[in-house]
Amino acid sequence: AQTVTQSQPEMSVQEAETVTLSCTYDTSESDYYLFWYKQPPSRQMILVIRQEAYKQQNATENRFSVNFQKAAKSFSLKISDSQLGDAAMYFCAYRSAPTNFGNEKLTFGTGTRLTIIP
Amino acid sequence: NAGVTQTPKFRILKIGQSMTLQCTQDMNHNYMYWYRQDPGMGLKLIYYSVGAGITDKGEVPNGYNVSRSTTEDFPLRLELAAPSQTSVYFCASSQIQGARFGQPQHFGDGTRLSIL
Repeated sequence: AQTVTQSQPEMSVQEAETVTLSCTYDTSESDYYLFWYKQPPSRQMILVIRQEAYKQQNATENRFSVNFQKAAKSFSLKISDSQLGDAAMYFCAYRSAPTNFGNEKLTFGTGTRLTIIP
Repeated sequence: NAGVTQTPKFRILKIGQSMTLQCTQDMNHNYMYWYRQDPGMGLKLIYYSVGAGITDKGEVPNGYNVSRSTTEDFPLRLELAAPSQTSVYFCASSQIQGARFGQPQHFGDGTRLSIL
């Protein structure tokens, strides 16, 4: 079974600065997907960014980018130019590549609470 | 677009009562999921479905039942509520894998359930 570990329960960053959230995972699979989800106080789960394991290029979505290190099984999220609206819980998630039956289940880490300091 | 809609948003149950959490999606997604989120924890999968009439257990299925009679609806049933089931419940859906790229799951806003 796969596991996802987020070792930083809480992080804080000054507005407009850059912050990096850590995520490591354990798997014996070679093909999989990784995601970062954001959960603001409203409780919604919002997809931030995703990465396919077979792609070496790190994914980027505007101010959000990842550092994907497949050999180290590491998947960190970098938020540049932090904004007050970035304050939320951030969850790292793992999903196996699909099988014939379908294997869309997500395995989540325990989350990192990000605080933005004005 | 409504996306994934969950009802109710809040509910308090007494021990031993039963209830159904409703989930419906209007995106014609094949896959649907139920997760629970305990305080300070990530989401854990309860049940999932890959299409109408097909369901399977996730990581924490005990105490719950599901059915999937239509593509749109995926209700979660608690038969004998227990304090350990106090949690926030999320329903999610995703499109069937048609390509290599992992389609993201779309989540509802959650149901906060307290068992007293």
